[in-house]
Amino acid sequence: NAGVTQTPKFRVLKTGQSMTLLCAQDMNHEYMYWYRQDPGMGLRLIHYSVGEGTTAKGEVPDGYNVSRLKKQNFLLGLESAAPSQTSVYFCASSPTGGTYNEQFFGPGTRLTVL
Amino acid sequence: GQNIDQPTEMTATEGAIVQINCTYQTSGFNGLFWYQQHAGEAPTFLSYNVLDGLEEKGRFSSFLSRSKGYSYLLLKELQMKDSASYLCAVMDSNYQLIWGAGTKLIIKP
Repeated sequence: NAGVTQTPKFRVLKTGQSMTLLCAQDMNHEYMYWYRQDPGMGLRLIHYSVGEGTTAKGEVPDGYNVSRLKKQNFLLGLESAAPSQTSVYFCASSPTGGTYNEQFFGPGTRLTVL
Repeated sequence: GQNIDQPTEMTATEGAIVQINCTYQTSGFNGLFWYQQHAGEAPTFLSYNVLDGLEEKGRFSSFLSRSKGYSYLLLKELQMKDSASYLCAVMDSNYQLIWGAGTKLIIKP
């Protein structure tokens, strides 16, 4: 099992460009999450999904969109990139969303917006 | 607001014991998680506490006091590979994880 994979690993964008980050999991998990991690701050939830075809906003959703057309994939889109979106993006998945649901993380995508 | 506090950085010696504290104020409580994150890598799960008391797992133990809004992670027999950031996260009433900024642990020989 590959677990949670993310593509790309690194990306540099110019302000105003758009891009899509892909997350895939092979553990048949229902829940998937997109976080961003910035220096000196905790992981912050951008969007999440509780199942195929569903998405919901997290703590910092502005400037991002997501889609979950297939259970194993969760896409994060940046419509018009801004320097404030320079960050490390982590995707995670969990079997369900209740208590004691360990989240499994992908290796991360390092995004720089110039 | 919701808040998770942990020390920014700690230093310890190989073979010693270190305790990393975490205090929290959240809207509801559905458990507390500890994750380990090596530099440039993804967080990986270490432990989960939902009831008061100590959970032991090999060299690592985690303690929770719900009345005090307090947890600690205890690492024994420190090894160089334990150099990493340790993230405390609380699951709130909406079953969302609220994350602390992490404690960077430096192990010296």
